[in-house]
Amino acid sequence: GQQVMQIPQYQHVQEGEDFTTYCNSSTTLSNIQWYKQRPGGHPVFLIQLVKSGEVKKQKRLTFQFGEAKKNSSLHITATQTTDVGTYFCAGWSGGSNYKLTFGKGTLLTVNP
Amino acid sequence: EAQVTQNPRYLITVTGKKLTVTCSQNMNHEYMSWYRQDPGLGLRQIYYSMNVEVTDKGDVPEGYKVSRKEKRNFPLILESPSPNQTSLYFCASRRQGLGSTDTQYFGPGTRLTVL
Repeated sequence: GQQVMQIPQYQHVQEGEDFTTYCNSSTTLSNIQWYKQRPGGHPVFLIQLVKSGEVKKQKRLTFQFGEAKKNSSLHITATQTTDVGTYFCAGWSGGSNYKLTFGKGTLLTVNP
Repeated sequence: EAQVTQNPRYLITVTGKKLTVTCSQNMNHEYMSWYRQDPGLGLRQIYYSMNVEVTDKGDVPEGYKVSRKEKRNFPLILESPSPNQTSLYFCASRRQGLGSTDTQYFGPGTRLTVL
């Protein structure tokens, strides 16, 4: 079945440093979603990417969808302590199967 | 306020005692889904529903049942819980299926312990 690999598993940064997490799918995706989960909280939807090569920005966050629609990345510029949490990608391969497969997430910690 | 509610939030039970975790959304969403979250395994989809009376298996459906008799409710049923179903469970909903660009909203989670 479809697999979504996410790296790194953990990332510790100093406040102000940049952060990137990467997702790779075993199959071509119709779209990919990104979520953030604060410690003790529930996942919160950040964005969905649909088009090949798509780049979207939300303030300090930049999301990319690969040309082959099999990989994606989330980049945070100048991290802040409020960025702490686990970032998940989730991919849908399209068609009539509406299963959503999540990566295992990247836990980001930020040292003030 | 748009929200997904789950009950109970915490539950400790014993092996074999049937239980139901309720999920309700107030946004008239068509797509609802259940996930379990386990350390090191991330979020895994158990079941999803595209609309009333339309449900299908996710990646880890064994040991679970669901029903969708009303649009707003999507209960998760464990007929005979076992310790390996100890987990954090999330219900989620979105306006339409995964082909749309809608936001998926998650409930607060239900922490289940099966002894």
